Amino acid sequence: TQLLEQSPQFLSIQEGENLTVYCNSSSVFSSLQWYRQEPGEGPVLLVTVVTGGEVKKLKRLTFQFGDARKDSSLHITAAQPGDTGLYLCAAKRANFGNEKLTFGTGTRLTIIP
Amino acid sequence: NAGVTQTPKFQVLKTGQSMTLQCAQDMNHEYMSWYRQDPGMGLRLIHYSVGAGITDQGEVPNGYNVSRSTTEDFPLRLLSAAPSQTSVYFCASTPLAGLYEQYFGPGTRLTVT
Repeated sequence: TQLLEQSPQFLSIQEGENLTVYCNSSSVFSSLQWYRQEPGEGPVLLVTVVTGGEVKKLKRLTFQFGDARKDSSLHITAAQPGDTGLYLCAAKRANFGNEKLTFGTGTRLTIIP
Repeated sequence: NAGVTQTPKFQVLKTGQSMTLQCAQDMNHEYMSWYRQDPGMGLRLIHYSVGAGITDQGEVPNGYNVSRSTTEDFPLRLLSAAPSQTSVYFCASTPLAGLYEQYFGPGTRLTVT
């Protein structure tokens, strides 16, 4: 059973369009992170969210942590080819002191010029 | 700083052979970990270490050994390679304090025939 479900698994859109990808779970998390991974490289951290309802913006990327801290979304405005990559969410469950990060399966995003 | 480095970048092994994947970091991070990434499976934790001399198992430890003799280095050993170990392997490091932000190496692509 996958603790973190990401959707969609694949997404291909035209440059300039907006998009949202999701990370969902039935568990409550103490913190959640989003990473972007480009081909042949390791994942790179984009953001960490820790408070239910928290919204963080990184240029054209908007990250939201659900009020109940069970889910998160990533919205990209006016997508550009440089946004192409694998987007991974990762989280630590609340009240699990030594629990390690669990990663979702990822959303593979392709922006078509 | 070089960050997290991994060698080799690519490796092909025959079933039953052994090898060591090298990982080093120059950020003085206490926490280091090894993940494998397979299509549709996300990143799965193999082994981790919270400091020199301390290691523990992750989600998928079978077939792999680790040791941590220094803060900087965290090698991963495959004692008898199997085709099921064909994967991309990532090493990551994290300072124990803070929000658990992981810094990943560039990965090693391993094929076992």
